[in-house]
Amino acid sequence: DGGITQSPKYLFRKEGQNVTLSCEQNLNHDAMYWYRQDPGQGLRLIYYSQIVNDFQKGDIAEGYSVSREKKESFPLTVTSAQKNPTAFYLCASSPTAIYGYTFGSGTRLTVV
Amino acid sequence: QKEVEQDPGPLSVPEGAIVSLNCTYSNSAFQYFMWYRQYSRKGPELLMYTYSSGNKEDGRFTAQVDKSSKYISLFIRDSQPSDSATYLCAMKDTNAGKSTFGDGTTLTVKP
Repeated sequence: DGGITQSPKYLFRKEGQNVTLSCEQNLNHDAMYWYRQDPGQGLRLIYYSQIVNDFQKGDIAEGYSVSREKKESFPLTVTSAQKNPTAFYLCASSPTAIYGYTFGSGTRLTVV
Repeated sequence: QKEVEQDPGPLSVPEGAIVSLNCTYSNSAFQYFMWYRQYSRKGPELLMYTYSSGNKEDGRFTAQVDKSSKYISLFIRDSQPSDSATYLCAMKDTNAGKSTFGDGTTLTVKP
């Protein structure tokens, strides 16, 4: 079955640590996205990539980094510079920029 | 001011009711309009995708876009308890390469 796989489902981070969230898709989609969702709020864009080896900052990129070395993979690193990382992180993909998204099931990150 | 404003809710209706969910927007360049449904602790799923003004129907769901008023709606007929979820509107312009989302409306359909 085609889809997007995010791992892990739950992640705990200590203060000062970097952590990497995995996102893999087998839909052959060109575009991939990372969003952050806080309780009672909508989705805020962190980074997006429309082709391999290219990505753009979204609205809240500070404290995050990404890479897009393969079409199928778009990992997100939450660095120690992100002051309030506790949130639900969603990865999405679309065939091209104009179509709707297919979302993964999300990673819930908690700072302990 | 946000580019996309969504009726905040929450909304609670009896089973079988017609539900209307609404968003307004300020960016006249938006051309593509989407509605997503998100169950608790899950990723959103695409419900409806429309281009420019007009109506689109899919089963019990109807998406309506009025570009002149910068207003979009999602209607759910014969609502069911399984429709209980958060509904997110989203919009794109041709050149942006990314969607802008509303904050979501949480709907509860009571049996």
